[in-house]
Amino acid sequence: GNSVTQMEGPVTLSEEAFLTINCTYTATGYPSLFWYVQYPGEGLQLLLKATKADDKGSNKGFEATYRKETTSFHLEKGSVQVSDSAVYFCALRDDKIIFGKGTRLHILP
Amino acid sequence: NAGVTQTPKFQVLKTGQSMTLQCAQDMNHEYMSWYRQDPGMGLRLIHYSVGAGITDQGEVPNGYNVSRSTTEDFPLRLLSAAPSQTSVYFCASSLSRWLPETQYFGPGTRLLVL
Repeated sequence: GNSVTQMEGPVTLSEEAFLTINCTYTATGYPSLFWYVQYPGEGLQLLLKATKADDKGSNKGFEATYRKETTSFHLEKGSVQVSDSAVYFCALRDDKIIFGKGTRLHILP
Repeated sequence: NAGVTQTPKFQVLKTGQSMTLQCAQDMNHEYMSWYRQDPGMGLRLIHYSVGAGITDQGEVPNGYNVSRSTTEDFPLRLLSAAPSQTSVYFCASSLSRWLPETQYFGPGTRLLVL
């Protein structure tokens, strides 16, 4: 069946560092891909999305590109802030949303 | 516009007790769903509903019941709580199951079963 695999955390970075969180997927067809963010004590929020190959989703300085050839949707940010500390979930949609296990990100001041 | 609300925020139950987790949305969303979040497991779908009067099972439905008598409300019932149901529960709603970009999550209910 369809699945999402993302890098295990926690990931700890210093403020202004470059961030990459890897995500790969297994799916039949061409699902839509998403990144969600969960801040402490809150529910998930949609961060960005891409609906077809080579699409780039972006929001709040985060970017991810839908790579069909490598079945990947890696999340990147050029300069992270302490306020980016959260858990990040990669997800795909076929007839339902399938979430990865989440990656906890800690940003040190 | 309150979005998706969940009550209670925290609950402690003894094994065998029953309870209902409440979920309500005021956005006139057709699709509502319940997830549980466990460490290292991500979110797993328990039950979902595509509209009032229609519910279906997700990935981990055993031990849980749902109903959808109105568009706004989607309660989750634990019939006989077990320690394995200790988790954080999230309710979510969206315009349609095919529009996850319109999905909103509630703040969650943290449940401990002793």
